[in-house]
Amino acid sequence: DAGVIQSPRHEVTEMGQEVTLRCKPISGHNSLFWYRQTMMRGLELLIYFNNNVPIDDSGMPEDRFSAKMPNASFSTLKIQPSEPRDSAVYFCASRLPGLRDGYTFGSGTRLTVV
Amino acid sequence: RKEVEQDPGPFNVPEGATVAFNCTYSNSASQSFFWYRQDCRKEPKLLMSVYSSGNEDGRFTAQLNRASQYISLLIRDSKLSDSATYLCVVNLRGGYNKLIFGAGTRLAVHP
Repeated sequence: DAGVIQSPRHEVTEMGQEVTLRCKPISGHNSLFWYRQTMMRGLELLIYFNNNVPIDDSGMPEDRFSAKMPNASFSTLKIQPSEPRDSAVYFCASRLPGLRDGYTFGSGTRLTVV
Repeated sequence: RKEVEQDPGPFNVPEGATVAFNCTYSNSASQSFFWYRQDCRKEPKLLMSVYSSGNEDGRFTAQLNRASQYISLLIRDSKLSDSATYLCVVNLRGGYNKLIFGAGTRLAVHP
């Protein structure tokens, strides 16, 4: 099993540019989560999908952020336009539906907006 | 009040020491509980689930006190490789199993 795969691993972009982060969950996992981690705020849940349907996007900071899951094996998180305060590590995680099942995280995308 | 609260540490302990981390959660309807470990510049990884009766995995013991809404993790015979941040995680009751992460407790084990 390849685990949760995220790309790119690192992204450096200029303020105002569009950024797209990608995630491939573990096959068979029906829930997918996007988290953002900073030193100041820790791990913050941005949005999660169940069976490809967005369930809770209350953590999405503002309209500049959007996420899609067109099929069970792919999701994107887009920031348009990007700002320096968006600099963080963005993690994607997936899980099976059982209550006892924890998440499996991808390696993350380290985003720097200059 | 935060949904999941942990002492941020850092806990600096010598090799071989026993160290305990505590965590409190605010939602009494929480159903399942986990400890995750996160190494510097890496993703969080599941360390162990926490069961009502308490459970042990090698040198690690997890306890749950539902009445006090309190979770603990005990590490015996600390190793240098145990140095990491330990995240307390709570599953809120609901249809879609949303996990809430604490801010983490940092552990540094020194020779």
